[in-house]
Amino acid sequence: NAGVTQTPKFQVLKTGQSMTLQCAQDMNHNSMYWYRQDPGMGLRLIYYSASEGTTDKGEVPNGYNVSRLNKREFSLRLESAAPSQTSVYFCACRRGALDSPLHFGNGTRLTVT
Amino acid sequence: KQEVTQIPAALSVPEGENLVLNCSFTDSAIYNLQWFRQDPGKGLTSLLLIQSSQREQTSGRLNASLDKSSGRSTLYIAASQPGDSATYLCAAMNSGYALNFGKGTSLLVTP
Repeated sequence: NAGVTQTPKFQVLKTGQSMTLQCAQDMNHNSMYWYRQDPGMGLRLIYYSASEGTTDKGEVPNGYNVSRLNKREFSLRLESAAPSQTSVYFCACRRGALDSPLHFGNGTRLTVT
Repeated sequence: KQEVTQIPAALSVPEGENLVLNCSFTDSAIYNLQWFRQDPGKGLTSLLLIQSSQREQTSGRLNASLDKSSGRSTLYIAASQPGDSATYLCAAMNSGYALNFGKGTSLLVTP
Protein backbone atom coordinates (compact mmCIF):
# COMPACT_ATOMS: atom_id res chain seq x y z
CA ASN A 1 0.00 0.00 0.00
CA ALA A 2 2.84 2.41 -0.72
CA GLY A 3 1.25 5.71 -1.65
CA VAL A 4 -1.21 6.22 1.24
CA THR A 5 0.37 6.67 4.66
CA GLN A 6 -1.64 6.74 7.87
CA THR A 7 -0.36 7.74 11.29
CA PRO A 8 -0.48 6.53 13.95
CA LYS A 9 -0.91 2.79 13.40
CA PHE A 10 -2.31 2.20 16.89
CA GLN A 11 -3.83 4.53 19.49
CA VAL A 12 -5.54 4.13 22.85
CA LEU A 13 -7.62 7.03 24.14
CA LYS A 14 -9.69 7.63 27.23
CA THR A 15 -13.30 8.76 26.84
CA GLY A 16 -13.41 12.51 26.23
CA GLN A 17 -9.89 12.85 24.86
CA SER A 18 -9.29 14.28 21.43
CA MET A 19 -6.94 13.25 18.66
CA THR A 20 -6.25 13.68 14.96
CA LEU A 21 -5.64 10.83 12.55
CA GLN A 22 -3.29 11.82 9.78
CA CYS A 23 -3.37 10.67 6.16
CA ALA A 24 -1.03 11.61 3.33
CA GLN A 25 -0.90 10.36 -0.25
CA ASP A 26 1.86 10.78 -2.80
CA MET A 27 -0.20 9.58 -5.76
CA ASN A 28 -1.35 13.07 -6.83
CA HIS A 29 -4.96 11.91 -6.52
CA ASN A 30 -7.85 14.34 -6.29
CA SER A 31 -10.29 12.51 -4.02
CA MET A 32 -9.68 11.30 -0.48
CA TYR A 33 -11.84 9.33 1.93
CA TRP A 34 -12.10 8.25 5.55
CA TYR A 35 -13.78 4.93 6.34
CA ARG A 36 -14.24 3.00 9.55
CA GLN A 37 -14.39 -0.79 9.67
CA ASP A 38 -16.19 -2.64 12.43
CA PRO A 39 -16.88 -6.37 12.83
CA GLY A 40 -20.26 -7.24 11.34
CA MET A 41 -20.75 -3.72 9.98
CA GLY A 42 -18.32 -3.64 7.11
CA LEU A 43 -16.73 -0.44 5.86
CA ARG A 44 -18.69 2.76 6.40
CA LEU A 45 -17.84 6.14 4.95
CA ILE A 46 -17.25 8.91 7.49
CA TYR A 47 -16.23 11.86 5.30
CA TYR A 48 -14.79 12.36 1.87
CA SER A 49 -13.14 15.11 -0.14
CA ALA A 50 -13.86 15.00 -3.86
CA SER A 51 -11.15 17.57 -4.53
CA GLU A 52 -8.88 19.96 -2.68
CA GLY A 53 -10.98 22.54 -0.88
CA THR A 54 -14.14 20.46 -0.58
CA THR A 55 -15.38 18.01 2.04
CA ASP A 56 -18.67 16.16 2.39
CA LYS A 57 -20.33 13.99 5.00
CA GLY A 58 -20.61 10.29 4.47
CA GLU A 59 -22.80 7.73 6.18
CA VAL A 60 -21.50 8.12 9.77
CA PRO A 61 -20.06 11.66 10.26
CA ASN A 62 -21.28 12.35 13.80
CA GLY A 63 -18.43 12.87 16.28
CA TYR A 64 -15.85 13.54 13.59
CA ASN A 65 -14.42 16.50 11.73
CA VAL A 66 -12.08 16.56 8.73
CA SER A 67 -9.62 18.91 7.12
CA ARG A 68 -8.33 18.69 3.57
CA LEU A 69 -5.10 20.52 4.31
CA ASN A 70 -3.82 20.37 0.73
CA LYS A 71 -4.00 17.95 -2.17
CA ARG A 72 -1.83 15.39 -0.32
CA GLU A 73 -3.24 15.46 3.20
CA PHE A 74 -6.65 14.68 4.68
CA SER A 75 -6.96 14.51 8.46
CA LEU A 76 -9.73 13.13 10.67
CA ARG A 77 -10.33 14.62 14.11
CA LEU A 78 -12.16 13.17 17.07
CA GLU A 79 -13.01 16.09 19.36
CA SER A 80 -14.30 14.04 22.30
CA ALA A 81 -13.69 10.34 21.87
CA ALA A 82 -16.38 7.83 22.85
CA PRO A 83 -16.15 4.02 23.24
CA SER A 84 -18.44 3.72 20.17
CA GLN A 85 -15.58 5.17 18.12
CA THR A 86 -13.39 2.15 18.83
CA SER A 87 -12.69 0.92 15.32
CA VAL A 88 -10.14 0.54 12.56
CA TYR A 89 -9.95 3.70 10.47
CA PHE A 90 -8.88 3.63 6.84
CA CYS A 91 -7.88 6.49 4.62
CA ALA A 92 -8.18 6.06 0.87
CA CYS A 93 -7.68 8.06 -2.29
CA ARG A 94 -8.59 7.87 -5.96
CA ARG A 95 -7.61 9.84 -9.02
CA GLY A 96 -11.13 11.15 -9.51
CA ALA A 97 -12.10 9.76 -12.90
CA LEU A 98 -14.96 7.25 -12.94
CA ASP A 99 -12.61 4.44 -13.96
CA SER A 100 -10.09 5.03 -11.19
CA PRO A 101 -9.89 2.51 -8.34
CA LEU A 102 -9.66 3.31 -4.65
CA HIS A 103 -6.26 2.97 -2.95
CA PHE A 104 -6.15 2.33 0.79
CA GLY A 105 -3.71 2.94 3.60
CA ASN A 106 -2.97 0.24 6.17
CA GLY A 107 -5.29 1.67 8.78
CA THR A 108 -5.23 3.09 12.30
CA ARG A 109 -6.51 0.82 15.05
CA LEU A 110 -8.16 3.03 17.69
CA THR A 111 -9.37 1.89 21.09
CA VAL A 112 -11.38 4.23 23.32
CA THR A 113 -11.68 3.11 26.95
CA LYS B 1 -29.49 4.19 -0.23
CA GLN B 2 -27.35 1.60 -2.00
CA GLU B 3 -27.23 -1.75 -0.22
CA VAL B 4 -24.46 -4.18 -1.15
CA THR B 5 -24.67 -7.82 -0.09
CA GLN B 6 -22.06 -10.56 -0.38
CA ILE B 7 -22.81 -14.24 -0.22
CA PRO B 8 -21.43 -16.44 1.23
CA ALA B 9 -19.96 -14.72 4.29
CA ALA B 10 -17.31 -17.43 4.53
CA LEU B 11 -16.02 -20.12 2.21
CA SER B 12 -13.49 -22.92 2.58
CA VAL B 13 -12.20 -24.82 -0.46
CA PRO B 14 -9.34 -27.21 -1.18
CA GLU B 15 -6.43 -25.95 -3.23
CA GLY B 16 -6.94 -26.13 -6.98
CA GLU B 17 -10.68 -25.57 -7.02
CA ASN B 18 -12.32 -22.90 -9.12
CA LEU B 19 -14.68 -20.73 -7.09
CA VAL B 20 -17.21 -17.92 -7.44
CA LEU B 21 -17.89 -15.11 -5.00
CA ASN B 22 -21.16 -13.24 -5.29
CA CYS B 23 -22.06 -9.58 -4.85
CA SER B 24 -25.50 -8.01 -5.24
CA PHE B 25 -26.55 -4.37 -5.12
CA THR B 26 -29.96 -2.72 -4.89
CA ASP B 27 -29.44 0.45 -6.97
CA SER B 28 -28.44 -0.35 -10.55
CA ALA B 29 -27.48 3.28 -11.31
CA ILE B 30 -23.82 2.63 -10.57
CA TYR B 31 -20.76 4.16 -12.19
CA ASN B 32 -18.57 1.17 -11.44
CA LEU B 33 -18.19 -1.95 -9.31
CA GLN B 34 -14.90 -2.73 -7.61
CA TRP B 35 -13.49 -5.88 -6.03
CA PHE B 36 -10.92 -5.69 -3.24
CA ARG B 37 -8.83 -8.11 -1.24
CA GLN B 38 -8.05 -7.58 2.45
CA ASP B 39 -5.45 -9.57 4.37
CA PRO B 40 -5.66 -9.68 8.19
CA GLY B 41 -4.49 -6.45 9.80
CA LYS B 42 -3.99 -4.77 6.44
CA GLY B 43 -5.74 -2.27 4.22
CA LEU B 44 -7.70 -3.14 1.11
CA THR B 45 -6.02 -3.84 -2.20
CA SER B 46 -7.91 -3.15 -5.41
CA LEU B 47 -8.24 -6.24 -7.61
CA LEU B 48 -10.58 -5.30 -10.44
CA LEU B 49 -12.79 -2.39 -11.44
CA ILE B 50 -15.67 -2.84 -13.87
CA GLN B 51 -17.17 0.29 -15.36
CA SER B 52 -20.94 0.43 -15.80
CA SER B 53 -20.58 0.04 -19.58
CA GLN B 54 -18.49 -3.12 -19.26
CA ARG B 55 -19.54 -6.73 -18.72
CA GLU B 56 -16.32 -8.16 -17.30
CA GLN B 57 -12.69 -7.59 -16.41
CA THR B 58 -9.86 -10.09 -16.10
CA SER B 59 -6.56 -10.06 -14.27
CA GLY B 60 -4.56 -13.26 -14.20
CA ARG B 61 -6.63 -15.97 -12.49
CA LEU B 62 -9.34 -13.48 -11.55
CA ASN B 63 -12.39 -12.63 -13.63
CA ALA B 64 -15.11 -10.26 -12.51
CA SER B 65 -18.44 -9.90 -14.25
CA LEU B 66 -21.16 -7.29 -13.97
CA ASP B 67 -24.88 -7.51 -14.72
CA LYS B 68 -26.35 -4.12 -13.92
CA SER B 69 -29.90 -5.03 -14.83
CA SER B 70 -30.01 -7.80 -12.24
CA GLY B 71 -27.85 -5.95 -9.72
CA ARG B 72 -25.19 -8.65 -9.56
CA SER B 73 -21.45 -9.08 -9.87
CA THR B 74 -19.34 -12.20 -9.50
CA LEU B 75 -15.65 -12.73 -8.87
CA TYR B 76 -14.32 -15.95 -10.35
CA ILE B 77 -11.03 -17.31 -9.02
CA ALA B 78 -9.46 -20.07 -11.09
CA ALA B 79 -7.21 -22.77 -9.69
CA SER B 80 -7.28 -21.42 -6.15
CA GLN B 81 -4.09 -21.37 -4.05
CA PRO B 82 -3.49 -21.07 -0.29
CA GLY B 83 -2.13 -17.56 -0.94
CA ASP B 84 -5.61 -16.56 -2.13
CA SER B 85 -6.88 -16.88 1.45
CA ALA B 86 -8.16 -13.45 2.45
CA THR B 87 -11.37 -11.47 2.72
CA TYR B 88 -12.81 -10.30 -0.58
CA LEU B 89 -15.01 -7.20 -0.67
CA CYS B 90 -17.05 -5.65 -3.43
CA ALA B 91 -18.06 -2.00 -3.58
CA ALA B 92 -20.51 -0.13 -5.79
CA MET B 93 -19.95 3.47 -6.76
CA ASN B 94 -23.00 5.65 -7.25
CA SER B 95 -23.17 9.42 -7.65
CA GLY B 96 -21.31 11.59 -5.17
CA TYR B 97 -17.98 9.80 -5.50
CA ALA B 98 -18.66 7.49 -2.56
CA LEU B 99 -18.34 3.70 -2.63
CA ASN B 100 -20.74 1.46 -0.75
CA PHE B 101 -19.12 -1.75 0.48
CA GLY B 102 -20.43 -5.21 1.12
CA LYS B 103 -19.36 -6.96 4.32
CA GLY B 104 -17.06 -9.33 2.49
CA THR B 105 -16.52 -13.03 1.92
CA SER B 106 -13.81 -14.66 4.03
CA LEU B 107 -12.02 -17.23 1.86
CA LEU B 108 -9.84 -20.04 3.14
CA VAL B 109 -7.98 -22.21 0.64
CA THR B 110 -6.60 -25.32 2.28
CA PRO B 111 -3.52 -27.19 0.98
